[in-house]
Amino acid sequence: DVVMTQSPLSLPVTLGQPASISCTSSLSLVHSDGNTYLNWFQQRPGQSPRRLVYKVSNRDSGVPDRFSGSGSGTDFTLKISRVEAEDVGVYYCMQGTHWPRTFGQGTKVEIK
Amino acid sequence: EVQLLDSGGDLVQPGGSLRLSCAASGFTFSTYGMSWVRQAPGKGLEWVSSISPSGGGTYYADSVKGRFTISRDNSMNTLYLQTNSLGADDTAVYYCATGYRSVGGYWGQGTLVTVSS
Repeated sequence: DVVMTQSPLSLPVTLGQPASISCTSSLSLVHSDGNTYLNWFQQRPGQSPRRLVYKVSNRDSGVPDRFSGSGSGTDFTLKISRVEAEDVGVYYCMQGTHWPRTFGQGTKVEIK
Repeated sequence: EVQLLDSGGDLVQPGGSLRLSCAASGFTFSTYGMSWVRQAPGKGLEWVSSISPSGGGTYYADSVKGRFTISRDNSMNTLYLQTNSLGADDTAVYYCATGYRSVGGYWGQGTLVTVSS
């Protein structure tokens, strides 16, 4: 199985400051169709997950532009340019290239 | 508006079975792959199973293979997960979600399965 490793697992941030979460896969996520199926999710306390980014860098509809995804191959990053209070929650990466699909462990973002 | 309504979760004894359902609306269900993802209490997200748009392709996590069956009824816009031989490790909130590569464009609200005697 492809192992997805996130870091850090806990991320205290100051409001208005940037934040960055890393996700590394144990195998390249480039699919034979040429796409890289790496997604990022946000889960606020008590809520269903919400997808923020798909295929590495494509923001979902309604997602603020302070969120951005980047990376290639096995190394990926989610950046928040200026953290707001509503960004508190757990963030997960997930690969959709290989079976079985696998998630990272999650990164808990909290306000300092 | 896209809606996914999960249902069927309950308290069940070890070894028991449940059928979970996900009623979809607001999009052309028959053109979307669909997935089930679960989350044990206080834990992270775990992919469980996916199905292709036609239902011809089904995929399972090793932890549920042989015990769970994913299916869909495109005429009823409904996704199912038949869960058998349930154990304590299957206790979780089960979410349905659109997609099976770019999983999770839309999510249900989740349905709680509790396995306990």
